[in-house]
Amino acid sequence: EVKLQQSGDELVRPGASVKISCKASGYTFTSYSMHWVKQRPGQGLEWIGAIIPIIDITEYNQKFKGKATLTADKSSNTANMELSRLTSEDSAVYYCARNEGSGYLNWFAYWGQGTPVTVSS
Amino acid sequence: DIQMTQSPASLSTSLGETVSIECLASEGISNDLAWYQQKSGKSPQLLIYAASRLQDGVPSRFSGSGSGTRYSLKISDMQPEDEAVYFCQQSYKYPYTFGSGTKLELK
Repeated sequence: EVKLQQSGDELVRPGASVKISCKASGYTFTSYSMHWVKQRPGQGLEWIGAIIPIIDITEYNQKFKGKATLTADKSSNTANMELSRLTSEDSAVYYCARNEGSGYLNWFAYWGQGTPVTVSS
Repeated sequence: DIQMTQSPASLSTSLGETVSIECLASEGISNDLAWYQQKSGKSPQLLIYAASRLQDGVPSRFSGSGSGTRYSLKISDMQPEDEAVYFCQQSYKYPYTFGSGTKLELK
C-alpha cells in the first residue's frame, strides 16, 4: 500500500524556518517525483515545486524560489521541504503528493495527510 | 503561467441530479488535466486524470471531458458523499496550476 506520512503540526515564529518531512512507503521511492502543494485556510491550492529523487533535480514555482527548498533522502525514503523567513502569509497546510506521470500527462494519485504550519509570535 | 478559470464557484443541487463543473485554461493543455475532490479537513483525492480517465476506485458517476482549453467534470446521480470542493489542475507546463475550486452542496 502506497503511503505518504507527513510530519506533524508546526507553530513557528516569524522570521524562522521550518522543515516538513514526507516519508514514503509501499513503493520504490526513486521511481516517482514528489511534489509539494500549499493550501491557505479556506483557499485554493498552489503548486510549490517538485523533486525527482533519483537524480535530485528540482523544479520550483517562481513564486516560491527563495522560500522553499526541496530535498530527498534516499536512505530513508523521505522527501523534505524547508520554508525560510516565515511570515503570516506562509501559514497554511502543506501537502506532499506523488506524481504518477513523468513528462506528458501527470497526476497526483497519492497525497500526504497535510502538515499545518502556523506562523505566530 | 497557465491560468485555470473554474466555474461556478459554488453549486447547490438535489439528490440524484446531474451537475457539471468547468475549467478554462488560458492556453491549450493537450488533455493534461486532472480533477480532485477535497472534503473538509482532508487531503485532495484524485477523481479524473488525462482529462477523461477515471481513477481506480472512483464511482462511474464521475466523468471528465474536454480538449484544448475547455474541460469539464460531470457528476451524475448526486449522492450525499459527493458534497465537497472540486479542483481542476493542469500539469502541461510548469508551474502546475489549479482552478479556484467549486463548492458543491446538497439542497
